[in-house]
Amino acid sequence: GQQLNQSPQSMFIQEGEDVSMNCTSSSIFNTWLWYKQDPGEGPVLLIALYKAGELTSNGRLTAQFGITRKDSFLNISASIPSDVGIYFCAGQQLTGANSKLTFGKGITLSVRP
Amino acid sequence: ETGVTQTPRHLVMGMTNKKSLKCEQHLGHNAMYWYKQSAKKPLELMFVYSLEERVENNSVPSRFSPECPNSSHLFLHLHTLQPEDSALYLCASSQGNSRQPYGYTFGSGTRLTVV
Repeated sequence: GQQLNQSPQSMFIQEGEDVSMNCTSSSIFNTWLWYKQDPGEGPVLLIALYKAGELTSNGRLTAQFGITRKDSFLNISASIPSDVGIYFCAGQQLTGANSKLTFGKGITLSVRP
Repeated sequence: ETGVTQTPRHLVMGMTNKKSLKCEQHLGHNAMYWYKQSAKKPLELMFVYSLEERVENNSVPSRFSPECPNSSHLFLHLHTLQPEDSALYLCASSQGNSRQPYGYTFGSGTRLTVV
């Protein structure tokens, strides 16, 4: 089946640092999404990308939809303690009336004050 | 508050119990989903409902039984579960169509522990 690869499983950074996360796949997706999950909560959508090559920002977050449609990255600049959480990438394909999401395993981000 | 509400937030049940998880969405979406999230694993899609009809069942054991009485409500009925069924169960909804897919909106989940 389709798989999205996110690695490493965990990242540790210092407050104020930038961090970049990558997500790759062997399949082509029409939409790439990045979610963040805080402890004890469900994933929350951070950024959605709909076009190959698209670069989108949301505050300190920037994400890009890869030209090949098989990858995406998320960049967090000037990290703060509340950036701690699990970051999931998800790819979405058009399959008729409903479009299924395929999720990566997630990257757990820790931010040292 | 995401617009998708799940209850209860925490549930501990014995292997012989019967319980239900509830999900309600206030977003006017037309599709709802159950996911299972276990430690160190990707999110596992369990069931998909579109316009109140089940359109997908990802080989989920029959001890999990979904119900979608209307487009705003989704239930997951549980009976004779196993300890390995302990996980975070997430409900999500979406308003997708073939021209412009949208991401899913998740609830906060129900943390289930089977003892």
